[in-house]
Amino acid sequence: ETGVTQSPTHLIKTRGQQVTLRCSSQSGHNTVSWYQQALGQGPQFIFQYYREEENGRGNFPPRFSGLQFPNYSSELNVNALELDDSALYLCASSPGLAGALNTGELFFGEGSRLTVL
Amino acid sequence: DQQVKQNSPSLSVQEGRISILNCDYTNSMFDYFLWYKKYPAEGPTFLISISSIKDKNEDGRFTVFLNKSAKHLSLHIVPSQPGDSAVYFCAASDGNSGYALNFGKGTSLLVTP
Repeated sequence: ETGVTQSPTHLIKTRGQQVTLRCSSQSGHNTVSWYQQALGQGPQFIFQYYREEENGRGNFPPRFSGLQFPNYSSELNVNALELDDSALYLCASSPGLAGALNTGELFFGEGSRLTVL
Repeated sequence: DQQVKQNSPSLSVQEGRISILNCDYTNSMFDYFLWYKKYPAEGPTFLISISSIKDKNEDGRFTVFLNKSAKHLSLHIVPSQPGDSAVYFCAASDGNSGYALNFGKGTSLLVTP
């Protein structure tokens, strides 16, 4: 069983640029969530996709957008990058909205570390 | 606003002793609470969870206690092992508002031999 994979693992951008991060969900999982983890903080919910539709969004501006594809893989796009966007971006998948065993459990990838200069 | 709080950034425990990690929350609508463990350069991995209708859940060396009246939960690790050294995140979800996890800032546990 292949776990959640994310790419790229590290990248450096400059202010104002745009970035796309990619995530392949675990086999059998139809729900993908994205989280931002700034240094010294816990992960913060960005949004969730279920069957290709956005199903919830955290307190992030519209320049954070996403997609989910028919194979349930997902992309996170961030436009007009700001210095504060520097963080670890975590993708998590689950077998349904409620997570595994209806507990909200998510399966996380290793993350994409974005540095904005 | 931080709805899940872990007020101890770090904890050091000797091997074989008990580790107790604490977590407080403010949202009474949370109905599931989870603990995740994170090693450097890896994503968080699920450790144990508890429903709001229970006050204790045990899985091997790990036990989570929930005190709803105090809006407090704790993770007990007995006995602690050096491999337990990691950052532990407390998280909570409210199923009625979707299943986004609200995380605390984490507690870094160091288990020394």
